[in-house]
Amino acid sequence: QKEVEQNSGPLSVPEGAIASLNCTYSDRGSQSFFWYRQYSGKSPELIMFIYSNGDKEDGRFTAQLNKASQYVSLLIRDSQPSDSATYLCAVNRGGSYIPTFGRGTSLIVHP
Amino acid sequence: NAGVMQNPRHLVRRRGQEARLRCSPMKGHSHVYWYRQLPEEGLKFMVYLQKENIIDESGMPKERFSAEFPKEGPSILRIQQVVRGDSAAYFCASSPRDTQETQYFGPGTRLLVL
Repeated sequence: QKEVEQNSGPLSVPEGAIASLNCTYSDRGSQSFFWYRQYSGKSPELIMFIYSNGDKEDGRFTAQLNKASQYVSLLIRDSQPSDSATYLCAVNRGGSYIPTFGRGTSLIVHP
Repeated sequence: NAGVMQNPRHLVRRRGQEARLRCSPMKGHSHVYWYRQLPEEGLKFMVYLQKENIIDESGMPKERFSAEFPKEGPSILRIQQVVRGDSAAYFCASSPRDTQETQYFGPGTRLLVL
């Protein structure tokens, strides 16, 4: 079983819709959860991080964490073509500085 | 406020040569991490360093790969006797002392081994 799993996609949504990206993890000791965006040929860019159960909102982005079910999700409201990228989920075990990355989900927002 | 810097951005080597990848962390950051990303694969952790110390190298191949972060100057990832399978994007990330878990990535070095 992979430690951090993401559907590779591509996930295709129309412009203006809500894009929902999901990530599950296997280590119950995980404490920190990160979402990165990576455009093709570029480096990962941190979008959000979340430590506590529940929702965390930042502009059009909302991260949701459910530790009991071991999943973390990222919602992108009012999706724009510029949001088209690969979204990487990363998970840190408590006390560890080393995140484990999922393979990423490719998101395509079409006009 | 400069971000994480890496150079070169692109590096071409022939099999058997050495590759040296450099990373300068963001100002005020004292923790450096190296990752490798193969096409269609996720980021794989290689090594975590602080100044003059290797903290965790559990992701480093046992042979040919080494890393350092000297007191002065950038962090260096060295790959000796490169093989075609070493072709990948190598990313460096850094984090500040007080929020060690939040990492900021450099632009990466794309290594191509001919």
